[in-house]
Amino acid sequence: DGGITQSPKYLFRKEGQNVTLSCEQNLNHDAMYWYRQDPGQGLRLIYYSQIVNDFQKGDIAEGYSVSREKKESFPLTVTSAQKNPTAFYLCASSWQGLTEAFFGQGTRLTVV
Amino acid sequence: DAKTTQPTSMDCAEGRAANLPCNHSTISGNEYVYWYRQIHSQGPQYIIHGLKNNETNEMASLIITEDRKSSTLILPHATLRDTAVYYCIVLAGGTSYGKLTFGQGTILTVHP
Repeated sequence: DGGITQSPKYLFRKEGQNVTLSCEQNLNHDAMYWYRQDPGQGLRLIYYSQIVNDFQKGDIAEGYSVSREKKESFPLTVTSAQKNPTAFYLCASSWQGLTEAFFGQGTRLTVV
Repeated sequence: DAKTTQPTSMDCAEGRAANLPCNHSTISGNEYVYWYRQIHSQGPQYIIHGLKNNETNEMASLIITEDRKSSTLILPHATLRDTAVYYCIVLAGGTSYGKLTFGQGTILTVHP
C-alpha cells in the first residue's frame, strides 16, 4: 500500500544521546516535513525539504538535524543540544505545489 | 502566510451539522484556505481546501466569505468519530508552499 511510515512508534533514550527518527514514503512525493507536537499544543515545523539534497529550517530547528539523500526518506536526528526533546514527532509528505500533505502516525520520543 | 484565528473548542450533537469558523482577515489574493483534522495521538488528516469558491467533498463543505476574510468548515452530519482537533491553515501559492504551519486549532467534541 502507498503511504508514509514512521518508525518506531515509541522510542526511549537517555539524556545526552542523539537519536534518529525514521520517515519513509512511497508516494513519490517531492516535499517532506518534520513537526513536533507537545501535549495540548499544535504542530510546530522543525524542518522541511522540497527536493532531494535540499532542506530548509522551520520554526524550531535548533537541536535537530535532517538529511534528504533519497526522495523516499527524510530522517530526523534529535541531538543532545535539544533541551526538551520529549515530544510527539510527526513526518509528512506532499507533491510540489498546493496539494494536501499526508502524515505518518508519529513517533513518541521520551528522553529520561 | 496569513495568520488564522479559531475558537479553542466547540461542541456538537451527534447527527447535527458542525460548523467550524476560521478568521483569516489578512489573507492575500494567492493564499488558499486548507483544513486538516487530528484525531487523538494520530497524524493530521487533510479534509478540504479552497481559494474563493465554496467547495464540497465526501468529508465536508468549505464556505468562504466573499471578501475571503473568514471561512466555515461544515461537517453535515457529525458522528462521534469526528471528535478531533480541526486546523484551519492559510497557504500561499508559489514557492512558499513548503512551509505548512499549524496553529492551535479547534477542539471539536461530538456528543451523543
